[in-house]
Amino acid sequence: AQSVTQPDIHITVSEGASLELRCNYSYGATPYLFWYVQSPGQGLQLLLKYFSGDTLVQGIKGFEAEFKRSQSSFNLRKPSVHWSDAAEYFCAVATGGSQGNLIFGKGTKLSVKP
Amino acid sequence: DAGVTQSPTHLIKTRGQQVTLRCSPKSGHDTVSWYQQALGQGPQFIFQYYEEEERQRGNFPDRFSGHQFPNYSSELNVNALLLGDSALYLCASSSEPGEGYYGYTFGSGTRLTVV
Repeated sequence: AQSVTQPDIHITVSEGASLELRCNYSYGATPYLFWYVQSPGQGLQLLLKYFSGDTLVQGIKGFEAEFKRSQSSFNLRKPSVHWSDAAEYFCAVATGGSQGNLIFGKGTKLSVKP
Repeated sequence: DAGVTQSPTHLIKTRGQQVTLRCSPKSGHDTVSWYQQALGQGPQFIFQYYEEEERQRGNFPDRFSGHQFPNYSSELNVNALLLGDSALYLCASSSEPGEGYYGYTFGSGTRLTVV
């Protein structure tokens, strides 16, 4: 069965430091992968997605993610974190096909120290 | 251009009652999906509606039902509420089944508390 694992429940980084959030997936075929961000009391905003092609994808707000098939990973990175990046981040995999739905990880909460 | 609109934003219900949540999709979108997000968890897929029919369903009991109207708006109904139904309910819309999740836009959700 498809699944997504985000090993880190909570991460704290200093403002200006680099960030990497981990995501591992389990899926039989080529996965469609996503990263979403959720601010408190808000819905989900899409940061970036990977369907095929270049394994390094760029997203909004300066985020990028790298798909590594051999490691079944899709880690999210940002070179310099801003205080406004504090939020919860969710990795998701689509179940496949044009009508697929999303399977989400449990999320990683990011706190930013001034 | 309005995004996905959900109402109400917050709701408190008693165990055993029934509740209806509403969603208006983003302009130009015709497919609506519903997700349940329990506290500290990622969202879980409930079901998806297209052309006023349930197209897919996740692992949720029949107490959870839905409807889509000709204007593409949608309702989520939950009967015989349990304490465990307390969660944030998210609605997501997309432009057509062919795009499916690629074009998902999420609403801000309805926070349901069952007491």
